[in-house]
Amino acid sequence: DVKVTQSSRYLVKRTGEKVFLECVQDMDHENMFWYRQDPGLGLRLIYFSYDVKMKEKGDIPEGYSVSREKKERFSLILESASTNQTSMYLCASNDRPFSGNTIYFGEGSWLTVV
Amino acid sequence: AQKITQTQPGMFVQEKEAVTLDCTYDTSDPSYGLFWYKQPSSGEMIFLIYQGSYDQQNATEGRYSLNFQKARKSANLVISASQLGDSAMYFCAMRGMEYGNKLVFGAGTILRVKS
Repeated sequence: DVKVTQSSRYLVKRTGEKVFLECVQDMDHENMFWYRQDPGLGLRLIYFSYDVKMKEKGDIPEGYSVSREKKERFSLILESASTNQTSMYLCASNDRPFSGNTIYFGEGSWLTVV
Repeated sequence: AQKITQTQPGMFVQEKEAVTLDCTYDTSDPSYGLFWYKQPSSGEMIFLIYQGSYDQQNATEGRYSLNFQKARKSANLVISASQLGDSAMYFCAMRGMEYGNKLVFGAGTILRVKS
């Protein structure tokens, strides 16, 4: 059974803290994505990676960075967390070429910054 | 630029009735794909149905069907015989070369099924 695993389901962090959100997929997928979900805005792409050590900015990269040192792992980093980064974060992965329904999501990480 | 619009923030439907969730899209790509996902309160994204822009027939998956009207750029999801377990957030999404083949999502529609 295919799996995208996000290490933390619920986190509470203080303003200014450095936050790591980890995502691991076991399907040998080339592409991995980090989305942020907010009410009324749907899912917005933060960053994506199409290969190890490769990354590209999505729609809302400000305040975030990513790391992909191994193919199966894609980390989202909040260098200095702020309250406006309180949100639900979703990781996803898919094969290249991308077609059909072959994109898989993790269960989401609910981050609260206080 | 690609854009997905879901105009219904929330919908109610009576159990066992059918419901249509609206989705319109905007793209200049001739080749694109349209997706519907369900997100229950637990947060995971569940794939429901896919329609390719060149598919001649509307996609169907069990109780889900996609009413694809290409000229109007609409891809409405129809859920037949609603069940209480259908209560969730529903997202329409699109991919195409114009956006580097990444998924672009609409704002979502919350569906509540009443008993």
